[in-house]
Amino acid sequence: NAGVMQNPRHLVRRRGQEARLRCSPMKGHSHVYWYRQLPEEGLKFMVYLQKENIIDESGMPKERFSAEFPKEGPSILRIQQVVRGDSAAYFCASSDRGQGYNEQFFGPGTRLTVL
Amino acid sequence: RKEVEQDPGPFNVPEGATVAFNCTYSNSASQSFFWYRQDCRKEPKLLMSVYSSGNEDGRFTAQLNRASQYISLLIRDSKLSDSATYLCVVIDNQGGKLIFGQGTELSVKP
Repeated sequence: NAGVMQNPRHLVRRRGQEARLRCSPMKGHSHVYWYRQLPEEGLKFMVYLQKENIIDESGMPKERFSAEFPKEGPSILRIQQVVRGDSAAYFCASSDRGQGYNEQFFGPGTRLTVL
Repeated sequence: RKEVEQDPGPFNVPEGATVAFNCTYSNSASQSFFWYRQDCRKEPKLLMSVYSSGNEDGRFTAQLNRASQYISLLIRDSKLSDSATYLCVVIDNQGGKLIFGQGTELSVKP
């Protein structure tokens, strides 16, 4: 049973370009969480999605960032017009339940570098 | 005040030492608590859950004090392989998102 997959593992973009990060949850998991870890900082929640629905986007920056989890295919975190401050590791996690106790299994992350 | 606060670290200890990490959380309604481990900023991995009654897993013991909103992790007989960053984590009651402390770095030396 494959774990959570993320691609690409490393992504380099120039300022102003778009970045698309993909996350395929574990088989049978319908809940996806995205977290960001800035250099020298802890992980911060960004957004929580279920299939075709955004449940909680309280951690998402107000502009340039969007996320989706379509009925078919991986979850996508999209960053438009990237800036140097977007350079970070982006982790996605999946679980089989939303509320309450639910172990979240993390993918290996995508390391975004903005030049 | 941060939602989850940890000892600043880093902790540098010799092999065989006992080391304790502390963590406090701000939301008294929080119900679920965990310690995660992160190696070299790779993906975090669940180390253990934390229960009010305390729980032990080999050399690792976790404790929760709800009255003080305080969580601890004790590592006995430290190994070189314990070197990592230890993350105190609280689950948000509403939607299940994880709230991470900033992490405490442990370095175990020979």
